[in-house]
Amino acid sequence: EVQLLESGGGLVQPGGSLRLSCVASGFSLSTYTMSWVRQAPGKGLERVAGSTADGGTTFHADSVKGRFTISRDNFKNTLHLEMNSLRAEDTALYYCAKNRPLQSGLLFDYWGQGTLVTVAS
Amino acid sequence: EIVMTQSPATLSVSPGERATLSCRASQSISSDLAWYQQKPGQAPRLLIFGASTRATGIPARFSGSGSGTEFTLTISSLQSEDFAVYSCQQYKNWPLTFGGGTKVEIK
Repeated sequence: EVQLLESGGGLVQPGGSLRLSCVASGFSLSTYTMSWVRQAPGKGLERVAGSTADGGTTFHADSVKGRFTISRDNFKNTLHLEMNSLRAEDTALYYCAKNRPLQSGLLFDYWGQGTLVTVAS
Repeated sequence: EIVMTQSPATLSVSPGERATLSCRASQSISSDLAWYQQKPGQAPRLLIFGASTRATGIPARFSGSGSGTEFTLTISSLQSEDFAVYSCQQYKNWPLTFGGGTKVEIK
């Protein structure tokens, strides 16, 4: 059974940092592209970062580029999101998601339950 | 960037009734559309991809249709466990984008 368990969220002041982690089980992380997707209060889902199976290619949304960094440790089956220079608008529930490749793009076929990040003073 | 617009924002439906949710893309995405279900405190779940193909384990009461820019998710007879938020996602172009969601609530 595929499971994704996020951790690392919490309350942080503007300008602060957090590191989110996602431990995967039931499949080998080294085989799949993975993503971080967030949902701010009252807003839709937003893919903020992605990493190919070997970690060689990454994606960061313009909204987080230069501040967030996705990385992975395939030996530990763990995905990370390093978040720096946090802003109030980064407040959201952050989900780790496994991607399923299709001919034209990616689906998000399994998700974790999310970890809440609150940026406030 | 392709903008996905969902309507209505909230849909009030009685158990056993049909629910029809809409998703519109700002440009043609062929059939490269997925639907997800979100419930509070739970992991989101993939329901539909390819606009109309049910994911593994998804009940037949969920159906998707449409192509190009207009898409519909239909829940034929709402069960108690179907009251949730539903989001569409396009995977035609990068970046991947989602709609704002439709909340299906009990009438």
